[in-house]
Amino acid sequence: NAGVTQTPKFQVLKTGQSMTLQCAQDMNHEYMSWYRQDPGMGLRLIHYSVGAGITDQGEVPNGYNVSRSTTEDFPLRLLSAAPSQTSVYFCASSKDRVGYTFGSGTRLTVV
Amino acid sequence: AQSVTQPDIHITVSEGASLELRCNYSYGATPYLFWYVQSPGQGLQLLLKYFSGDTLVQGIKGFEAEFKRSQSSFNLRKPSVHWSDAAEYFCAVVSDSNYQLIWGAGTKLIIKP
Repeated sequence: NAGVTQTPKFQVLKTGQSMTLQCAQDMNHEYMSWYRQDPGMGLRLIHYSVGAGITDQGEVPNGYNVSRSTTEDFPLRLLSAAPSQTSVYFCASSKDRVGYTFGSGTRLTVV
Repeated sequence: AQSVTQPDIHITVSEGASLELRCNYSYGATPYLFWYVQSPGQGLQLLLKYFSGDTLVQGIKGFEAEFKRSQSSFNLRKPSVHWSDAAEYFCAVVSDSNYQLIWGAGTKLIIKP
């Protein structure tokens, strides 16, 4: 089992560019979520999914899109990157919504 | 709205000394509570969790936490810290609205030699 795999680990974008952060899990977990981590603010929920085809917004969804076409994958799309989206992004999955497995994170810089 | 408060942004402790990191939460019913640790540039590792039952929870790396309903607290403790414990520690609670994690802002632990 690889657990939760996030790619890329590092990324630099120019303002206005788009990109997709990939997240895949091989544990057949129904629940997946994306968080961003900023200094002094802990982690904040961006979007989450309770199963294939079902997504919902979290605390800070603006500027991000998600889809869940399969149980395994939960990509996060930045449509037009802004410097305020410079952050570390973590993907997580859960079997029961109370025990979470986290990916190793993606460090994104928008210049 | 539910929230998690970690009152200490950073704490400095001498190696070998005891440690207590504070966490307070707002929630009406019995919450699901977690402590995670993050070493610099690394991901998040679960230290321990509380769902129900015994209010003193044992975790990995010699950590423990005590759930106190009357104080809405879930403080993390370790009797003797090691230099390798230097990291940032996060308290989290499961939201009762969407069952996702709500996080505290974190406490950075600094170990003095």
